[in-house]
This record gives sequence, structure tokens and C-alpha cells, in this order.
Amino acid sequence: DAGVTQSPTHLIKTRGQQVTLRCSPKSGHDTVSWYQQALGQGPQFIFQYYEEEERQRGNFPDRFSGHQFPNYSSELNVNALLLGDSALYLCASSTGTGNTEAFFGQGTRLTVV
Amino acid sequence: TQLLEQSPQFLSIQEGENLTVYCNSSSVFSSLQWYRQEPGEGPVLLVTVVTGGEVKKLKRLTFQFGDARKDSSLHITAAQPGDTGLYLCAGSLRAQKLVFGQGTRLTINP
Repeated sequence: DAGVTQSPTHLIKTRGQQVTLRCSPKSGHDTVSWYQQALGQGPQFIFQYYEEEERQRGNFPDRFSGHQFPNYSSELNVNALLLGDSALYLCASSTGTGNTEAFFGQGTRLTVV
Repeated sequence: TQLLEQSPQFLSIQEGENLTVYCNSSSVFSSLQWYRQEPGEGPVLLVTVVTGGEVKKLKRLTFQFGDARKDSSLHITAAQPGDTGLYLCAGSLRAQKLVFGQGTRLTINP
């Protein structure tokens, strides 16, 4: 049983570029949440997708957008990259039934230069 | 505003010692999770506590949820070098959104 998988594992982009990160949730899970973890900090909630719609959003600018597909996989898009967007981006999957346990992928390390 | 405060932020102790990590908030959570994270990897779920006053044990790790569901603690008995890592607490507010503390970086020296 595959857990949460994210791709790519590492990525280097230039300021102003756009990036797309991908996540496949754990089998049986239908909810995907994205988090940004800066170095030395705890993860910060970006947004959550359920039934292909954004259900909740954290305090992140509109440059951060996402999508969920019918197979529950998800993408995180960041436009007009800034140096401060450099971080570990984590995807977490869970079920939409009220169970609050979330399982994380290994993350995508994004470096903006 | 940091909703969850973890303490200490850094802890370095000798193998065999006991330790406690605290997670405090002024907010009430529907549940609270503890995660352990290795460098360059995602957090791995250790435990979920739901009921106020609940105590859960995982081998040498004991987790407690405060009666008011605002705080939690993680106690490790006879720490081992393999316990080294970043320990994160995360509270669930609504619809599974998790609010994380800043983490406690634990180092166990042989």
C-alpha cells in the first residue's frame, strides 16, 4: 500500500518563474492538504482540497493555487516565485469523514534563486 | 500569531535520560497529533489524542492531552540515539486543518 507520494523531490527555480508540485494521496484517502515548511519552522497550512474543490485556505497570497483531480491527486502551483518561497512543500492526505489523522509525503524541496 | 507554542525548542541530553516536551495553546482543539520528522523528509505521525485527559503510550513514549484540550505533553523514558529528530505537535481546529507548533529539535548523545 503506497503512502503519500510527492514529485519532484527537489527543484531549483529562478525568481519570477512558475512551479507545479504534485501529490498522490494514500490509498483510500480523498482529502489533500498542502503545507509550506521553512527551514527551522513548523509546517504552515496553505490550503486543502476535497471533492475537487478548495475547502479551506491559509494565509497565503493568490500566487499559490491548487487543483484536485477526480482520482484525488493534487497539484500545487506557485506563480511569480520569490526568494522567500524557498521551502519544503508537504502534502498530507486524510479522509473527509471527520477523522483528523493526516499522513504526509516526503515533501518537495523548492529552492528559488 | 503562533497558536501552538512548543518548549523547549532545542534539547540535547545523554542516552538513558528522561525528557518531556510541552505543547501549549490558548485555543481548544478537537484533536492533537504528535509527529516526528527527520531531515529532508515529511513528518511521520506518532499518535493522535482526542479526549481531554487522554494518555497514550507508544513503547517508551507517553503522550498526554490536557483536560481542557488546549495543551499536550510528550514524555520519553530512557532516551536513545534513535529518538533524535524534530518533534512536532499539531492541533486540529476544523475540517482537518492542522496548526503546527514550531517543533522541538531533540538530540540524544550516546
